[in-house]
Amino acid sequence: KAGVTQTPRYLIKTRGQQVTLSCSPISGHRSVSWYQQTPGQGLQFLFEYFSETQRNKGNFPGRFSGRQFSNSRSEMNVSTLELGDSALYLCASSLALAGGSTDTQYFGPGTRLTVL
Amino acid sequence: DAKTTQPTSMDCAEGRAANLPCNHSTISGNEYVYWYRQIHSQGPQYIIHGLKNNETNEMASLIITEDRKSSTLILPHATLRDTAVYYCIVGGGDNFNKFYFGSGTKLNVKP
Repeated sequence: KAGVTQTPRYLIKTRGQQVTLSCSPISGHRSVSWYQQTPGQGLQFLFEYFSETQRNKGNFPGRFSGRQFSNSRSEMNVSTLELGDSALYLCASSLALAGGSTDTQYFGPGTRLTVL
Repeated sequence: DAKTTQPTSMDCAEGRAANLPCNHSTISGNEYVYWYRQIHSQGPQYIIHGLKNNETNEMASLIITEDRKSSTLILPHATLRDTAVYYCIVGGGDNFNKFYFGSGTKLNVKP
């Protein structure tokens, strides 16, 4: 079974631009979560989508948004890019079985975003 | 906010067992302990998780104390490829898929 895939793997943007990152979950997985990893802040939770709805949200400004499609694929968007948005953006998927009390997340390789 | 405390780094000789400790004193009754590792800024790799009982899989063993306030990840025979940052995470329960990663432990496996 193929793992979580993220595109693009590397991206360079300039301040003020916007960017869209894509995540394809493992087949059959219905939940997609996004994380930001920087040297200073470590791995931080951005948001989680399940059934095309945002179910959980971290403490990030509104410039960070996401969505999930009916096939569970997800995109995240960052508008008005700042230098501090340079980071590795990781996507994770999980089964999200009904009635489950926990869910193992499987991570993709990440998208390395550099803002100049 | 991370709910776990781990040593910043540890060394282990190749072929020996690596025992990585984690404190999670504020864990609630329905939260699980998860372990992941990350190598060279790749995506974190799932290792193992548990609720109360000790768990073992092909990669590692997880020992959780009876009061659930701490746990230990055991890599029985560490190899050079096990050099990575290991994260202990408390997740599941009410927070479901909202994982809080701490700083992790950098494990250095030496020949």
